[in-house]
Amino acid sequence: QVQLVESGGGVVQPGRSLRLSCAASGLTFSNYDMHWVRQAPGKGLEWVAVISYDGSNKYYADSVKGRFTISRDNSKNTLSLQMNSLRAEDTAVYYCAKAMWQQPNSVFDYWGQGTLVPVSS
Amino acid sequence: DIVMTQSPDSLAVSLGERATINCKSSQSVFYSPNNKNHLAWYQQKPGQPPKLLIYWASTRESGVPDRFSGSGSGTDFTLTISSLQTEDVAVYYCQQYYGLPNTFGQGTKLEIK
Repeated sequence: QVQLVESGGGVVQPGRSLRLSCAASGLTFSNYDMHWVRQAPGKGLEWVAVISYDGSNKYYADSVKGRFTISRDNSKNTLSLQMNSLRAEDTAVYYCAKAMWQQPNSVFDYWGQGTLVPVSS
Repeated sequence: DIVMTQSPDSLAVSLGERATINCKSSQSVFYSPNNKNHLAWYQQKPGQPPKLLIYWASTRESGVPDRFSGSGSGTDFTLTISSLQTEDVAVYYCQQYYGLPNTFGQGTKLEIK
């Protein structure tokens, strides 16, 4: 059974950094593209970033480009999101999500439970 | 970016009745090389992550009850729940995966009348 477990969330001040992680199990992690999707409190879903199955390709939403970095360690079945220069508008629950296919444009067939990142002074 | 617009924003339907949610994309999400519409539907219950219901506009994900169906092509799509059950109370999102960034509709909140 596929399991995705996010960690690393918590209150952070504007301008500071935070690193999120997602531990994957129950799948051959290195076969799948992986995404981060976020949801501001009481709001809709916003795609954040994708990394290809082998880590060679990465794409970002304009809202986070230059500030966030997605990475993965296939030897540890772990996905990460390094978030720098955080802003109040980055406040959200961050979900890691598995792509159904090896393409940056994909549906997300498994999601973690999410980790909350409040950005506040 | 492709903008996804859902209607209505909220919907109240009686148990056992049909619920219909619409999704319109700002440009066609039909991809000719594979002859498919790159459109998915998700269900999100309070405090839970989204759950994939339908992809390719009309292909039901494994384990999804057959009362859920998707239709449409090009820019106009519909999610239909044929006979509403109490466990269907949720927010529903459409998503296009035709191009990056992947984008979602604003969501439709479905309640029991």
